Amino acid sequence: EAEVAQSPRYKITEKSQAVAFWCDPISGHATLYWYRQILGQGPELLVQFQDESVVDDSQLPKDRFSAERLKGVDSTLKIQPAELGDSAMYLCASSLDGTPLIGELFFGEGSRLTVL
Amino acid sequence: AQTVTQSQPEMSVQEAETVTLSCTYDTSESDYYLFWYKQPPSRQMILVIRQEAYKQQNATENRFSVNFQKAAKSFSLKISDSQLGDAAMYFCAYRTVEYGNKLVFGAGTILRVKS
Repeated sequence: EAEVAQSPRYKITEKSQAVAFWCDPISGHATLYWYRQILGQGPELLVQFQDESVVDDSQLPKDRFSAERLKGVDSTLKIQPAELGDSAMYLCASSLDGTPLIGELFFGEGSRLTVL
Repeated sequence: AQTVTQSQPEMSVQEAETVTLSCTYDTSESDYYLFWYKQPPSRQMILVIRQEAYKQQNATENRFSVNFQKAAKSFSLKISDSQLGDAAMYFCAYRTVEYGNKLVFGAGTILRVKS
């Protein structure tokens, strides 16, 4: 069964360091999402791609976060410099189509970041 | 902006019993989609059930069903014959039909199943 792959599963870093997360969506899924989930809360969308283009990055802290999906397939989310408040689970998801007519998002297992 | 509210931080149910998780949402739009997602401990989030707002009939998926009250902007999830494997965090989520619009999640409800 096809799955969304994410790495690393766990990352511990010190504040002011750079971190990067990688996501490989399900093959053929044009839309890719990065969500941040703080412990005990619901996921919050950081950025949404349609192919290689950004559709929504309104909640992405652009002074320290960046995301790219250069060839419209896999994606990287970077944080530089990391801050204590960035400790969270970073979830990647993909969907077959950008419209909700399909609707279902498929999620990866997430990358848990701890900033010390 | 659309918001989703789950007022029950935690619920418990006895195995084989029925439990209902509540969700309300705020929107000015007439057409949209609603979802319930399940997130087991240390596992990825999976879709439980979806409801199209234009459909009056409540969605069902095996032991899972919803009570969709459009006028009241309410979307509750009923789990019948609860099983130990149902223990997880459950998220209610909202999405419009406009292209590119994001999926907005509620804060979640932890469901504990007692044997």
